[in-house]
Amino acid sequence: GENVEQHPSTLSVQEGDSAVIKCTYSDSASNYFPWYKQELGKRPQLIIDIRSNVGEKKDQRIAVTLNKTAKHFSLHITETQPEDSAVYFCAAVSGNTPLVFGKGTRLSVIA
Amino acid sequence: DTGVSQDPRHKITKRGQNVTFRCDPISEHNRLYWYRQTLGQGPEFLTYFQNEAQLEKSRLLSDRFSAERPKGSFSTLEIQRTEQGDSAMYLCASSLVSGRAADTQYFGPGTRLTVL
Repeated sequence: GENVEQHPSTLSVQEGDSAVIKCTYSDSASNYFPWYKQELGKRPQLIIDIRSNVGEKKDQRIAVTLNKTAKHFSLHITETQPEDSAVYFCAAVSGNTPLVFGKGTRLSVIA
Repeated sequence: DTGVSQDPRHKITKRGQNVTFRCDPISEHNRLYWYRQTLGQGPEFLTYFQNEAQLEKSRLLSDRFSAERPKGSFSTLEIQRTEQGDSAMYLCASSLVSGRAADTQYFGPGTRLTVL
């Protein structure tokens, strides 16, 4: 089955700097890669996703890139703000199978 | 609020007791998932339904766990004879599946279970 690894597990950046979180997956059939943000005590919220037919997707300060050959995808947050502090999870799925999540990255944005 | 809702939000129980959680998905969504999340980990898949049919169960779902979605709308997750290792956040997610494309899942707020 699918296995998703996520790095780093913790990340601290200064406000205004960029943050990058990387994930690798094992199943070459995976074709959908969402990213979720989870604040303490709250539900995971979808912030961006990408499908395997594109290499990059951007939404304001957030972007995701996908390298199918290398089987890795990354989340990029530019101009970080204190409210970006949260745990971020990547996930991968093939077709109509359940999501497989990484273990999460705790991002701290220091004002 | 038209998002996914879960009830209760918190449950404290004694070991050996049975507990039941409810999930109400987004109204037009045909797929409903249950996940379990422990501290410092990502959500782990337990089971999912398409309409009223339970299509897959994880090996994490022991025989003490049972889930239903009788009318293809809300779902219940029951844990019998709870153990301390069952303490976790139980998350529900729903999605609208159309064709063969992978579905975007929207999560509920979760039910935090503490087994004493």
